[in-house]
Amino acid sequence: DTAVSQTPKYLVTQMGNDKSIKCEQNLGHDTMYWYKQDSKKFLKIMFSYNNKELIINETVPNRFSPKSPDKAHLNLHINSLELGDSAVYFCASSAHSGTPNNEQFFGPGTRLTVL
Amino acid sequence: AQSVTQLDSQVPVFEEAPVELRCNYSSSVSVYLFWYVQYPNQGLQLLLKYLSGSTLVKGINGFEAEFNKSQTSFHLRKPSVHISDTAEYFCAVSVGIQGAQKLVFGQGTRLTINP
Repeated sequence: DTAVSQTPKYLVTQMGNDKSIKCEQNLGHDTMYWYKQDSKKFLKIMFSYNNKELIINETVPNRFSPKSPDKAHLNLHINSLELGDSAVYFCASSAHSGTPNNEQFFGPGTRLTVL
Repeated sequence: AQSVTQLDSQVPVFEEAPVELRCNYSSSVSVYLFWYVQYPNQGLQLLLKYLSGSTLVKGINGFEAEFNKSQTSFHLRKPSVHISDTAEYFCAVSVGIQGAQKLVFGQGTRLTINP
């Protein structure tokens, strides 16, 4: 059974389009995250949700809007896609949001290419 | 702000040789450190973590790391590497923000094993 799954695995689209990436975890975790990995492999957190509530919102453009319908799902919607949005997006989850013992389990990633 | 620096962007070694991947962190009162591995085209997997206690931490796949407070380092080591260890390795620190914890990653080190 896949612990953290993402769909789609690859996404190729034109500038200006709107797209969504879905994430689901079956670990029973309370907290989920979105990370962006750029072309140089640098990983940076974008958002974090705990029990469907937004708890971390880094300096991400308003075009990015996460949505958590329940604590097992965290989707990422991106409006008006730009070339600079091309990256690999990783979803992750952890059992607790407020403790340092914050082992995060990562999904396989979604490679977004904006043309 | 807490940060992590991985001193080597690439490390090539021969199979069965020992390897050390270096990681330095910015100092803080409490430090919680992690090493993650990313195999090609996959998500991140936790190798090991330091929360407290013994400064020598053992992880999966024969890896270990030593927490050195005086040198603010958390270097990853393996006494004998295999071809299958070829991957990107990320050091990370857990940072408290707004009552939650987030991972701040280093730039990554690409480990290449040559036969």
